[in-house]
Amino acid sequence: DGGITQSPKYLFRKEGQNVTLSCEQNLNHDAMYWYRQDPGQGLRLIYYSQIVNDFQKGDIAEGYSVSREKKESFPLTVTSAQKNPTAFYLCASSIPGPNQPQHFGDGTRLSIL
Amino acid sequence: SQKIEQNSEALNIQEGKTATLTCNYTNYSPAYLQWYRQDPGRGPVFLLLIRENEKEKRKERLKVTFDTTLKQSLFHITASQPADSATYLCALDIYNQGGKLIFGQGTELSVKP
Repeated sequence: DGGITQSPKYLFRKEGQNVTLSCEQNLNHDAMYWYRQDPGQGLRLIYYSQIVNDFQKGDIAEGYSVSREKKESFPLTVTSAQKNPTAFYLCASSIPGPNQPQHFGDGTRLSIL
Repeated sequence: SQKIEQNSEALNIQEGKTATLTCNYTNYSPAYLQWYRQDPGRGPVFLLLIRENEKEKRKERLKVTFDTTLKQSLFHITASQPADSATYLCALDIYNQGGKLIFGQGTELSVKP
């Protein structure tokens, strides 16, 4: 079955560490997205990519970095510069452009030790 | 400022009744509006999309309306079932934003047997 796989499901970070969240899709979608979700809040866009080797900052990109070397993969690194990284991180993919639903993975919950 | 708001309080209804969820927005001009369902600890799942020139869209027990004058979308679930209990998110798809979505904070629906 086609879908999006995020790993790990739970991740713990020590102060000062960078951590990388994995996102892989086999839907053959060109566009991929990373969102952050905090309790009682909507999804906020961190980074998005419309095509391989290209990506743009979303609304809350500070303290995060991404790469898009392959169509199937869009890893997100939470750097030590992100002062409040505890959150639920969601990856999505879609056909690029308007009028397209996004397909989501089941998220990674990141916590600070 | 630009805002998108959904019922902030949880909605509790009896099985068999119609659930109505509201999504209001200000200072946006969306081309499309999407609704998603999210279960605890999972990623959102796409339900319905409605275009700005459509007044109403239906899918099985679901109905969405979109009033660009009132800047409001209503999401209805008829003959509700306990399995419909989840958080429902609306998302705006804005002109010339390349498919980026702006999400509301979601409304939690609980259907009691």
